Amino acid sequence: NAGVTQTPKFQVLKTGQSMTLQCAQDMNHEYMSWYRQDPGMGLRLIHYSVGAGITDQGEVPNGYNVSRSTTEDFPLRLLSAAPSQTSVYFCASSPGTGYQPQHFGDGTRLSIL
Amino acid sequence: GQQLNQSPQSMFIQEGEDVSMNCTSSSIFNTWLWYKQDPGEGPVLLIALYKAGELTSNGRLTAQFGITRKDSFLNISASIPSDVGIYFCAGQLSGNEKLTFGTGTRLTIIP
Repeated sequence: NAGVTQTPKFQVLKTGQSMTLQCAQDMNHEYMSWYRQDPGMGLRLIHYSVGAGITDQGEVPNGYNVSRSTTEDFPLRLLSAAPSQTSVYFCASSPGTGYQPQHFGDGTRLSIL
Repeated sequence: GQQLNQSPQSMFIQEGEDVSMNCTSSSIFNTWLWYKQDPGEGPVLLIALYKAGELTSNGRLTAQFGITRKDSFLNISASIPSDVGIYFCAGQLSGNEKLTFGTGTRLTIIP
């Protein structure tokens, strides 16, 4: 049972490049979310999805797009990377019923030059 | 948006000491969660609290859901080297899966 799998683990981009951070879970969880973690600021919610075909914005959505075509996958897209998007990105999932705690992946460390 | 103030920001203790940290909110939550993050990994759930006043233990860890619903506390007894890491509190609203995280408490054990 892999849980929440994020790829890649590390990535360096140049300003203006685009890329997609992948997130997959094998627990049949309905709820998935993306957070970014910056020093001294904890984790901040970027986008989330309560099920396939449904997405919504979190606290810091600007510069990021998401889609949820399947229950298993929730990719995060940076259309034009900016240095301010240098961060560690975490994907999380939960069953989505009641107050079920979220399970996190191991993160993607992204640097924008 | 909601703010979670977590304190202290960092702690330097000796092995065997007890640890206390807390989290306070400007508004009410219906669920409090405590996570631990090791270097290079994602947060791992330690304890979940679902009821005001609830006191829950997980081994040497004990957490409490404050009566006002605006705070939570985590205690670690007899700390050991593997307790080193960053501890995050998180709050969750009723009927809403979104988590609001505290800024973290970094625990370091001095040899």
